[in-house]
Amino acid sequence: DADVTQTPRNRITKTGKRIMLECSQTKGHDRMYWYRQDPGLGLRLIYYSFDVKDINKGEISDGYSVSRQAQAKFSLSLESAIPNQTALYFCATSERLGTEAFFGQGTRLTVV
Amino acid sequence: GDSVTQMEGPVTLSEEAFLTINCTYTATGYPSLFWYVQYPGEGLQLLLKATKADDKGSNKGFEATYRKETTSFHLEKGSVQVSDSAVYFCALSDQGSGSARQLTFGSGTQLTVLP
Repeated sequence: DADVTQTPRNRITKTGKRIMLECSQTKGHDRMYWYRQDPGLGLRLIYYSFDVKDINKGEISDGYSVSRQAQAKFSLSLESAIPNQTALYFCATSERLGTEAFFGQGTRLTVV
Repeated sequence: GDSVTQMEGPVTLSEEAFLTINCTYTATGYPSLFWYVQYPGEGLQLLLKATKADDKGSNKGFEATYRKETTSFHLEKGSVQVSDSAVYFCALSDQGSGSARQLTFGSGTQLTVLP
């Protein structure tokens, strides 16, 4: 089993719908992240959490919200999806500052 | 703020050619530097890393040396294979005192190796 698991792997949704992307990890890491990948733009940070009581906005948090339900679970929500949120979304974890991150397989989201 | 600039792609090489992908960075603290690789349809995987100046990271024939004087971390491989075709990302994690910085990524470089 993967250390970082994202569900669903693919999703098509309509404009205005609420959608949740889920992430769970078995690494035992406190730090978890949500990134968005768009062609030519690399990965951009949406939200990050350094423990269950800590939530921080990243560089592109508008239109998104998150929930850290437990050390192992970090969910990303789009309250009212719009087409320019069509992208590949990645969840990641890391042990501490300065160490490498471990990524999930990604969720490909299409908003029509 | 922190930033990473890497060589724009796409890069197309013939098998056994020499590869260089340039990466330069700006950081306020003392960053660790990383190269990640993304194969088609997959998430990012750590390829190599270096945590201090003059460190050389290496893995699977790839190498990169942390050059503080030129703020660079260029990725090299002496002889690429078709299986190296992927997107490569340079990244940093700033360890400046009191900093809560997470990973900052470059825009990625698409590499295609032809047989």
